[in-house]
Amino acid sequence: EPEVTQTPSHQVTQMGQEVILRCVPISNHLYFYWYRQILGQKVEFLVSFYNNEISEKSEIFDDQFSVERPDGSNFTLKIRSTKLEDSAMYFCASSELGTANYGYTFGSGTRLTVV
Amino acid sequence: GQNIDQPTEMTATEGAIVQINCTYQTSGFNGLFWYQQHAGEAPTFLSYNVLDGLEEKGRFSSFLSRSKGYSYLLLKELQMKDSASYLCAVRGGDPNRDDKIIFGKGTRLHILP
Repeated sequence: EPEVTQTPSHQVTQMGQEVILRCVPISNHLYFYWYRQILGQKVEFLVSFYNNEISEKSEIFDDQFSVERPDGSNFTLKIRSTKLEDSAMYFCASSELGTANYGYTFGSGTRLTVV
Repeated sequence: GQNIDQPTEMTATEGAIVQINCTYQTSGFNGLFWYQQHAGEAPTFLSYNVLDGLEEKGRFSSFLSRSKGYSYLLLKELQMKDSASYLCAVRGGDPNRDDKIIFGKGTRLHILP
């Protein structure tokens, strides 16, 4: 069964450092998303991406965040200068246009710890 | 704005039936999803409703009433492995676009032997 792959599974970084979280969506999917989940809290929408541009972003997705699809397979989330409150589980998801009834397929997540 | 409400925690006994309720207020509606999430893992898709009524899939069923902004997830013949959080999520906005899914806070279900 096709899956969304995320790397690394865990990342520890110092406050103020830049991090790049990587995702390989399912190959025939057209829509890509990043969500985050702070420990004990709900899954929160960050950004959606379609046709090589951001479709929508939340208030959380400020100037410190950026996304990129540098080639035909990878989809990355960059946090330019990490803060302690960026510590969370970050999930990448993808979906195929026309199969909206199955929602998204989520990757297994990257646990980011900012110290 | 968007608001999704569901109970924080529920407890049920192995072999029993449990119903997890969800109410929502969203700007636009293009489907309601239920996801299961085990601790430390990604959400996994359980069910989808876009029309009123009951959708059954094995031990799990999901119901939707759009006029009431209400859904429930019904789990039958509970097993210990069903101990997890159950997330109600809604897609709003333009039905012609694959809009984002907004999640509720989740209901943590504890199964007792």
